Amino acid sequence: DAKTTQPNSMESNEEEPVHLPCNHSTISGTDYIHWYRQLPSQGPEYVIHGLTSNVNNRMASLAIAEDRKSSTLILHRATLRDAAVYYCILRKVDSNYQLIWGAGTKLIIKP
Amino acid sequence: DAGVIQSPRHEVTEMGQEVTLRCKPISGHNSLFWYRQTMMRGLELLIYFNNNVPIDDSGMPEDRFSAKMPNASFSTLKIQPSEPRDSAVYFCASSSDRVQFFGPGTRLTVL
Repeated sequence: DAKTTQPNSMESNEEEPVHLPCNHSTISGTDYIHWYRQLPSQGPEYVIHGLTSNVNNRMASLAIAEDRKSSTLILHRATLRDAAVYYCILRKVDSNYQLIWGAGTKLIIKP
Repeated sequence: DAGVIQSPRHEVTEMGQEVTLRCKPISGHNSLFWYRQTMMRGLELLIYFNNNVPIDDSGMPEDRFSAKMPNASFSTLKIQPSEPRDSAVYFCASSSDRVQFFGPGTRLTVL
């Protein structure tokens, strides 16, 4: 299964944009890129997903490199409530359950 | 919508005792997942049900673990007998398409 690589942690200032990187150099053409986040003492929460094109929703934006070997989750204006562990996950297009979870990136927001 | 409901939220038991964790998925979702999360191993998929039928239980650690889904609105994960190494947070998630919705988890401590 293709794997993802993320920095262990990142810091950002409140009300500034945050760019969370993810490398997935062994991604296949049928793998979707999913992002989930886990706030302290809560279950994981879906953020966004995409295949080839950049995606936007109310929570974040997902920028996918043209070769699909990397992607970036963008929080346009981070708040203290965005402090969480962010997971970048690959899912095969024909599977609705095979999410391979890595260690994620712990995002620290400084007031 | 109440989201995925799990009970109990916390469970402390002694080694050798039987433990039963409960989950009520989101109404209308046809897929249900049980995960376990520890600091050492991260988030691991234990078992996946589709339309109340177990599809993949390859993540279940050993015969001490069993899961059932008698109907579309209820599932249980049972550990018998429990051991200290079973201490973890257990999450239930449900899905109707490609996005999984997680419950708040059950924190299990086996003394």
